[in-house]
Amino acid sequence: NAGVTQTPKFRILKIGQSMTLQCTQDMNHNYMYWYRQDPGMGLKLIYYSVGAGITDKGEVPNGYNVSRSTTEDFPLRLELAAPSQTSVYFCASITGANTGELFFGEGSRLTVL
Amino acid sequence: KNEVEQSPQNLTAQEGEFITINCSYSVGISALHWLQQHPGGGIVSLFMLSSGKKKHGRLIATINIQEKHSSLHITASHPRDSAVYICAIRTGTASKLTFGTGTRLQVTL
Repeated sequence: NAGVTQTPKFRILKIGQSMTLQCTQDMNHNYMYWYRQDPGMGLKLIYYSVGAGITDKGEVPNGYNVSRSTTEDFPLRLELAAPSQTSVYFCASITGANTGELFFGEGSRLTVL
Repeated sequence: KNEVEQSPQNLTAQEGEFITINCSYSVGISALHWLQQHPGGGIVSLFMLSSGKKKHGRLIATINIQEKHSSLHITASHPRDSAVYICAIRTGTASKLTFGTGTRLQVTL
């Protein structure tokens, strides 16, 4: 099925561990984003990419890294997990600037203990 | 002050009522999205607006670019409409989104 696929859906990490959240879209979208959603807060932008090989920081990039080696994949890496990274993470994609429709992955719930 | 403000934060309605959720923003935008998120669920884009009005079933979304204001209306509300509704604005060449904090709607029988 066409869309944005995120894995894993749930994960529990210990403080200091690392992991990668995977995001894949099969719609040939250039623009991809990672957001985190904390209770009572709006979604916050972590990193974004406007095409393969191009990434940039969003509002809350500290503690995260991304790569974009292909149009389809935009993985988010958490290094040295901290309790402050406990959140729900969403990957999203848009065809292009201004008028493209927006698609979200189903979300990944991460708990750091 | 957030760039995107939604009101109300919480809303309870009885089945069949007409519902309005408001969104105000403070910067120039290329588009505005209304999103729906069910409890524990993913996020779905209901509407993308750059001007005027759009309708899909019982949902209507309007935007006034000059006033920097948008509204989402639900006619003949139903319990399955219970969800969080989020307004998001798209800005800049990278189409980054800024989100409101959402309106939690509960529709009772």
